[in-house]
Amino acid sequence: ETGVTQSPTHLIKTRGQQVTLRCSSQSGHNTVSWYQQALGQGPQFIFQYYREEENGRGNFPPRFSGLQFPNYSSELNVNALELDDSALYLCASSLWAGTNEKLFFGSGTQLSVL
Amino acid sequence: SQELEQSPQSLIVQEGKNLTINCTSSKTLYGLYWYKQKYGEGLIFLMMLQKGGEEKSHEKITAKLDEKKQQSSLHITASQPSHAGIYLCGAANSGNTPLVFGKGTRLSVIA
Repeated sequence: ETGVTQSPTHLIKTRGQQVTLRCSSQSGHNTVSWYQQALGQGPQFIFQYYREEENGRGNFPPRFSGLQFPNYSSELNVNALELDDSALYLCASSLWAGTNEKLFFGSGTQLSVL
Repeated sequence: SQELEQSPQSLIVQEGKNLTINCTSSKTLYGLYWYKQKYGEGLIFLMMLQKGGEEKSHEKITAKLDEKKQQSSLHITASQPSHAGIYLCGAANSGNTPLVFGKGTRLSVIA
């Protein structure tokens, strides 16, 4: 068990709705990265937050946004949901930003968009 | 951008048999990470390799990075049902770029 917790574990939404996913990082970790994993694919990097600031972003549209709080927990928000947003969303925390320090992953949130 | 190719895509082995999973990069790797994922769950860190020719072992799993740092292999000796899952390799071009993952190799171990 990594100490990274994500909520909710499962979520069903309809197209056009908005969703917020939450992540509590491992104690002492100030960096959180979010990944999207579609069925049968590897995780795709969405963005990273370090000390409450976005610190890098993958090839995802602006309707994917995030926040990091002073306690280093994080949220991923997705607006105007599309069917292709159906995926497992993974949060990973690490000690340092901008390095390939070992990532500690949560168990993910399975999002289904109908 | 960097791409990682994993082979095979899936593997079914009999308990007790050895197996190898490969990960090939289109570019020289800064570091290569192996993770294991149980279906629909998060990733568990296995090993990290950074130096050309490096080899690391943990219990019955051995990972190697070739001298050119473009290919890695993961070898499991005497496979057990607990080894079943999806094995993912992840890598980056430098210490300041996010990890890019391969599509994974789905391993099933049958009695």
